Amino acid sequence: SQQGEEDPQALSIQEGENATMNCSYKTSINNLQWYRQNSGRGLVHLILIRSNEREKHSGRLRVTLDTSKKSSSLLITASRAADTASYFCATDRNQGGKLIFGQGTELSVKP
Amino acid sequence: GAVVSQHPSRVICKSGTSVKIECRSLDFQATTMFWYRQFPKQSLMLMATSNEGSKATYEQGVEKDKFLINHASLTLSTLTVTSAHPEDSSFYICSARGPGLHEQYFGPGTRLTVT
Repeated sequence: SQQGEEDPQALSIQEGENATMNCSYKTSINNLQWYRQNSGRGLVHLILIRSNEREKHSGRLRVTLDTSKKSSSLLITASRAADTASYFCATDRNQGGKLIFGQGTELSVKP
Repeated sequence: GAVVSQHPSRVICKSGTSVKIECRSLDFQATTMFWYRQFPKQSLMLMATSNEGSKATYEQGVEKDKFLINHASLTLSTLTVTSAHPEDSSFYICSARGPGLHEQYFGPGTRLTVT
């Protein structure tokens, strides 16, 4: 399969809790990106982490990257109902910008 | 931020007909555009990479004669689904990348239903 793995496939939490999603991939990468998709809509770019970076923050988002384990995690702190969406990781293997997407995590944040 | 539009947002067509989907970068020049397909509850699958002024590069298993891609200008790429069949019904999403950028900007998607 060209795709990486994400877990969990679905995650349901209460507002205010933290949400952690994991992504694993198979080959060496140039960078890894996280995207959000609301139901039936396009993708919104959240954050990009380069292969030589280990951690990156953006607002309530924290992304880590472990290239030795070929894995990344996305942490959303103090979640809100508006965070309900599908979240995808995507790897850039320096092949002309091609992105390989993970299978996604469907996050549901209950008010 | 950079904006990418797609037209139409939804299309219903009869089996055997062809459908054209447009992808435009509105405020930047897109040297590369990508076309993805997404089935319900699944991830995005890259179909092809389109560079302005050259032939598209298709991923393994994607029929180039069925999914015609044209990237005639730095702001427009089109995907034509020829002789559409019900199994081509899907959500088609394009993305665009400007020169020297790592980020891709995604269009809102086109929902194709073939009856």
